[in-house]
Amino acid sequence: EDQVTQSPEALRLQEGESSSLNCSYTVSGLRGLFWYRQDPGKGPEFLFTLYSAGEEKEKERLKATLTKKESFLHITAPKPEDSATYLCAVEKSNYQLIWGAGTKLIIKP
Amino acid sequence: DAGVTQSPTHLIKTRGQQVTLRCSPKSGHDTVSWYQQALGQGPQFIFQYYEEEERQRGNFPDRFSGHQFPNYSSELNVNALLLGDSALYLCASSFRTGEGYEQYFGPGTRLTVT
Repeated sequence: EDQVTQSPEALRLQEGESSSLNCSYTVSGLRGLFWYRQDPGKGPEFLFTLYSAGEEKEKERLKATLTKKESFLHITAPKPEDSATYLCAVEKSNYQLIWGAGTKLIIKP
Repeated sequence: DAGVTQSPTHLIKTRGQQVTLRCSPKSGHDTVSWYQQALGQGPQFIFQYYEEEERQRGNFPDRFSGHQFPNYSSELNVNALLLGDSALYLCASSFRTGEGYEQYFGPGTRLTVT
């Protein structure tokens, strides 16, 4: 069964304390993996698309990496404004997206 | 570019009623997908429209139907509303090129069924 699992469910960090969020997947026919940021009551904001194992992408304090079974979202020296829920989604060969439940990140000043 | 827009932002309906939600895609995007998101959960795929036809459908009953217009805008209709239909409904537009794929979300419509 196709599945996307994100861990941890919630993560509390001090400002400046770097860490990583995990997205593991078991999906047939992976076309791509997406990372989104979502603030409460708002639509997800697109961050990255990764297509092949070994690929990396960066945006400000965020860096996403992809292996054959999982993806990591690394957050370097986070700030309180990085607090949000981070969602991972995997696109199957039939173009359908399978979503994880998200990791709620809280950065304390 | 206004990005993806949705209307209305909030809606309160009574069980058994029908509702129509609207979405305008980002400029240049030809594909629209609809999602249902319950509190604390990831989005659940409802269906996707491309060239005015439903291309993919998730595990949702026939009470959920949609339409895409020639200008790529889209509507989501839900009939015979149930209390469990209360959720944030998200529209996403996307465009695929040989180099990659991007999907952008609208702000969502918060539907409350009482």
